[in-house]
Amino acid sequence: AQSVTQLGSHVSVSEGALVLLRCNYSSSVPPYLFWYVQYPNQGLQLLLKYTSAATLVKGINGFEAEFKKSETSFHLTKPSAHMSDAAEYFCAVGARRSGGYQKVTFGIGTKLQVIP
Amino acid sequence: NAGVTQTPKFRILKIGQSMTLQCAQDMNHNYMYWYRQDPGMGLKLIYYSVGAGITDKGEVPNGYNVSRSTTEDFPLRLELAAPSQTSVYFCASSSPGQGGRKGNQPQHFGDGTRLSIL
Repeated sequence: AQSVTQLGSHVSVSEGALVLLRCNYSSSVPPYLFWYVQYPNQGLQLLLKYTSAATLVKGINGFEAEFKKSETSFHLTKPSAHMSDAAEYFCAVGARRSGGYQKVTFGIGTKLQVIP
Repeated sequence: NAGVTQTPKFRILKIGQSMTLQCAQDMNHNYMYWYRQDPGMGLKLIYYSVGAGITDKGEVPNGYNVSRSTTEDFPLRLELAAPSQTSVYFCASSSPGQGGRKGNQPQHFGDGTRLSIL
C-alpha cells in the first residue's frame, strides 16, 4: 500500500522568498517519488523525480527536492519564488506491481500563490 | 512533438447521454491511464492499460469503459452520464522503463477534457 500527504492545500509566498512545499509518503516497498506542476487549464508536467541515485534531486525551473527516508519526506523547495511559479503542485509516489505496471498515487495538490 | 492529445477540450452533456473522450499519444508508450480531477481531491485513476488489448480498473471505474485496440489510442466511454461525472478528465502515458528501474518513469499528461453534466 502507498499514500501521499501534502501538508497545506494553499501556500502563499512573497516574490523572491523561499518556496517550501511539503510531501510525506508511505510505501511498503522502496518508492519512486515525483513532483508535478499544473498550470491553469493544462495537464500535469514533471518537475523532478527521485531515482535513488542521489537524495537531492534537481528539477526544472530551479526547483529541487530532498529524499529523506528516515522522515519519509520528499519536500520541494526553490530558493527564490518568481511570479511564474504560481501553479498547483502535486507530489506522487509510485511502486512497481506485477507485470511492470507503475501504480502511482497522487497527493491532493498544493496551490502556490506568489505575492508581488 | 504532440505528446498526449485529448479531444474534446470542453463538453456539456445532458444526464443520460453518452460520449467518448478521445486520447492519443505519439511516443510509443505501452502504458496509458485515465484520471479524473476534482477540486481538492487530487487525481483518481479510472482505468489503465499496459498495452494494446489489455485494460484494467483503477480506483473509480464505475460508470466508465475503455478499450485499447492500438498502442496510440485509449478512448474513455461514458455510457449514461450522471452529474457525479462532472469533472476534468486527464489522459496520461508512460513507458515501462528498462532494467532495474522499471516503473520509475514519469507520466506524460494531456491538457484535459472539461466535462459538465447537467
